[in-house]
Amino acid sequence: DAGVIQSPRHEVTEMGQEVTLRCKPISGHNSLFWYRQTMMRGLELLIYFNNNVPIDDSGMPEDRFSAKMPNASFSTLKIQPSEPRDSAVYFCASTSQGGSTDTQYFGPGTRLTVL
Amino acid sequence: GDSVTQMEGPVTLSEEACLTINCTYTATGYPSLFWYVQYPGEGLQLLLKATKADDKGSNKGFEATYRKETTSFHLEKGSVQVSDSAVYFCALSNAGNMLTFGGGTRLMVKP
Repeated sequence: DAGVIQSPRHEVTEMGQEVTLRCKPISGHNSLFWYRQTMMRGLELLIYFNNNVPIDDSGMPEDRFSAKMPNASFSTLKIQPSEPRDSAVYFCASTSQGGSTDTQYFGPGTRLTVL
Repeated sequence: GDSVTQMEGPVTLSEEACLTINCTYTATGYPSLFWYVQYPGEGLQLLLKATKADDKGSNKGFEATYRKETTSFHLEKGSVQVSDSAVYFCALSNAGNMLTFGGGTRLMVKP
C-alpha cells in the first residue's frame, strides 16, 4: 500500500492567495483527519471525517478554512484568503474501523509558507 | 476534557544511554494509549500502543506500560542510537478514534 498521499509537499504563496491541499487516504480507511503543526502551537486537529461526513470541525481556525471529502479516496483543505500566520505543516491521517484502539496513519505533510 | 502531558525537551543523550520520556494523562473511562514518532521531515508514525491497563507496548527496543493507577505511559529504551533522534508524541484515544496528543519531546542522540 502506498500509504497516505498528500500534495503538494511544499507550497509557497503570497498573502491573500487561495491555497488547496490534497489528501488521498489509505484505501479502505473510513476516517480522515487534518492536522496543523507549528512550533508555537504543536499538533492541532483541524477537522475529521467519518465515511466522508465531517464529524468534528471545532478545530478549524476560522471561516477562511474549509475542508471537503467528496468521496472515500480524496479530501481537500482550502485556505482562502491565506495569511502569513497560516504558515505551518499540514498533515492528513487516516484510520479504519473507527475504534479507540486503531492506529492513525499519517501522510508526509504539506509545508505551507505564506509570504 | 482529555489531556496528555509529556516532559518538555529537548532530551540530549549519548549513544547507548538509557532513555525515559515521561507521559501522564487525564481521561474519563478507559482510553487507549499511543506513542508516535516523527523523524525529521516526515509525518508521524506509530511506535507502540497499549489498549488496556497493565498492557505493555513494545517496538524497536522501546517499551511503555499502561499504568492506570498513576495514569502514566512512560516511554523507555535501554540503549538509544543516533537513529532514534526524533520527536516523540504521547497520545490517547477515548471512545472513538480521535487522538489527543501531548506537546512532543525532541530526542537528540549524539555519537
